[in-house]
Amino acid sequence: EPEVTQTPSHQVTQMGQEVILRCVPISNHLYFYWYRQILGQKVEFLVSFYNNEISEKSEIFDDQFSVERPDGSNFTLKIRSTKLEDSAMYFCASTGGTAYNEQFFGPGTRLTVL
Amino acid sequence: DAKTTQPNSMESNEEEPVHLPCNHSTISGTDYIHWYRQLPSQGPEYVIHGLTSNVNNRMASLAIAEDRKSSTLILHRATLRDAAVYYCILRESRETSGSRLTFGEGTQLTVNP
Repeated sequence: EPEVTQTPSHQVTQMGQEVILRCVPISNHLYFYWYRQILGQKVEFLVSFYNNEISEKSEIFDDQFSVERPDGSNFTLKIRSTKLEDSAMYFCASTGGTAYNEQFFGPGTRLTVL
Repeated sequence: DAKTTQPNSMESNEEEPVHLPCNHSTISGTDYIHWYRQLPSQGPEYVIHGLTSNVNNRMASLAIAEDRKSSTLILHRATLRDAAVYYCILRESRETSGSRLTFGEGTQLTVNP
């Protein structure tokens, strides 16, 4: 069964450093998402991406964040200068067909900012 | 986004049915009702969705009230693997691209052996 994959599973970084979280969505999907979940809190939407551009973003997704689909398979989330409060699980998701079909989530990347 | 209300937690015994309720009194006519769950240390997982009629799939059933102001996710025979946080989410049906999921606190389901 096709699945969304994410790398790395755990990333430790120093405050102020740049990180890139990588995702490989399901191959024929067209809509891509990033969510995050701070430990013990709700899953929060960050951004959605369709047709090579951001289609929606939340107030969390400020200028420190960017997304890219550099080739036909990867979807990346970059945090330019990490802060302590960026420590969280980051989940990538993708959807095929229409935008409101079910979203398939990856296993997540745990980001720890020291 | 229209809001949903779920109990914080529920308990069930293994192999018994579980009915997880969700209230969404401000639902609009074009909102779909989606259910996701999150097993410990995993990403959310789609369970089922519906608009007006009751729905069944291999994982669960979704019973939607006639006025659509509430719904119930039914797990017919709970297993230990069903212990998770269950989220009831309303999603707008719109033609524009991208449709975020807005997660609430969900219901923590505990399944006792």
